[in-house]
Amino acid sequence: DQQVKQNSPSLSVQEGRISILNCDYTNSMFDYFLWYKKYPAEGPTFLISISSIKDKNEDGRFTVFLNKSAKHLSLHIVPSQPGDSAVYFCAAGEYGNKLVFGAGTILRVKS
Amino acid sequence: DAGVTQSPTHLIKTRGQHVTLRCSPISGHKSVSWYQQVLGQGPQFIFQYYEKEERGRGNFPDRFSARQFPNYSSELNVNALLLGDSALYLCASSSTSGRTSEQFFGPGTRLTVL
Repeated sequence: DQQVKQNSPSLSVQEGRISILNCDYTNSMFDYFLWYKKYPAEGPTFLISISSIKDKNEDGRFTVFLNKSAKHLSLHIVPSQPGDSAVYFCAAGEYGNKLVFGAGTILRVKS
Repeated sequence: DAGVTQSPTHLIKTRGQHVTLRCSPISGHKSVSWYQQVLGQGPQFIFQYYEKEERGRGNFPDRFSARQFPNYSSELNVNALLLGDSALYLCASSSTSGRTSEQFFGPGTRLTVL
């Protein structure tokens, strides 16, 4: 039972363009959502988060959008840079620090 | 400030053996969580500890156990290792327990069971 799904295993974008990574969830009790970036042989690095009471959160080049009615969130990276190439994980939490992760999306930014 | 540290970095064991993995959280963080990540999947929650008490447990067998020490560091123990326990084991720390918040991950311990 996958409560958090990232349906695109990979995404390729040109440097300078927008990268949009998507995530769907099924559990309406999730109250907090996070995006992590992971390079090979490293642990996940926290990128940005959003509470369920908001619909948008911005931090520099990264913006997360939450659509609660559709149980969907997305991460926008503008402009994309080659150093953004990594695996991106969407995660959700339900009052506490048990995070449920998606399977990840591999982002490749071409220069 | 040092981030989350984990030891060892890599470990090779054989089936049936026991393993202990260690984690030190970010200074000031009292909550430690453990996750297992197998190839091609996202991290899967194993345990959360806060102030030395277990606050959550994922869907893992009783062969998996953990504890947290007074200095908030933590150990994950796995008994009777199976081939399927081969994975990257991640430790994450956070400053809270009751509400969901950002968790910061260590580099992980790569466990290979032969």
